[in-house]
Amino acid sequence: GQQLNQSPQSMFIQEGEDVSMNCTSSSIFNTWLWYKQDPGEGPVLLIALYKAGELTSNGRLTAQFGITRKDSFLNISASIPSDVGIYFCAGRADRGSTLGRLYFGRGTQLTVWP
Amino acid sequence: DAGVIQSPRHEVTEMGQEVTLRCKPISGHDYLFWYRQTMMRGLELLIYFNNNVPIDDSGMPEDRFSAKMPNASFSTLKIQPSEPRDSAVYFCASSLIRADTEAFFGQGTRLTVV
Repeated sequence: GQQLNQSPQSMFIQEGEDVSMNCTSSSIFNTWLWYKQDPGEGPVLLIALYKAGELTSNGRLTAQFGITRKDSFLNISASIPSDVGIYFCAGRADRGSTLGRLYFGRGTQLTVWP
Repeated sequence: DAGVIQSPRHEVTEMGQEVTLRCKPISGHDYLFWYRQTMMRGLELLIYFNNNVPIDDSGMPEDRFSAKMPNASFSTLKIQPSEPRDSAVYFCASSLIRADTEAFFGQGTRLTVV
């Protein structure tokens, strides 16, 4: 199956610092998504990307869909304590037998020190 | 809409017992996904449905696992008999595959098999 490599696995940063995480795939995706999971909750969608090269922002979050369609990154600017959680990338190929299926990275555990 | 609703939130059962997890997707969504999350393996797709029809069940670990979607508003994931290694958080998600209607997750069922 398609593999998603997400890095880093974990990050420990000071409040106010910027954060960057990325995801690479062994195959092409037509959609890239970024989710955040708080403890005891399900993942919540942060940003959706549908076009190669697309750069989308949601408040302090910015994500880009790589032009090769095999990678994506998420940046968080000026981190705050409530940014703590696990961030997941997910990709979707939207073709053939895998139509609708999302492939997830292993997640980046973010810890923000006040 | 109340979002994806899963029940129960927590389940503790003895090895060998049957376990049934339930999911009510968001009204109008035509895809439904069952995921399992563990520390070791991250988020794994078990099975997903489109218009109540199972599309891909290759992620179902063994014959002990079965899933049904008798109608558009209800799905079950059953484990019979349960084993300690089935302990995990099980998530249900629903989606419409078009822009801005990405997969929405329920809060999950934390299953502990002792």
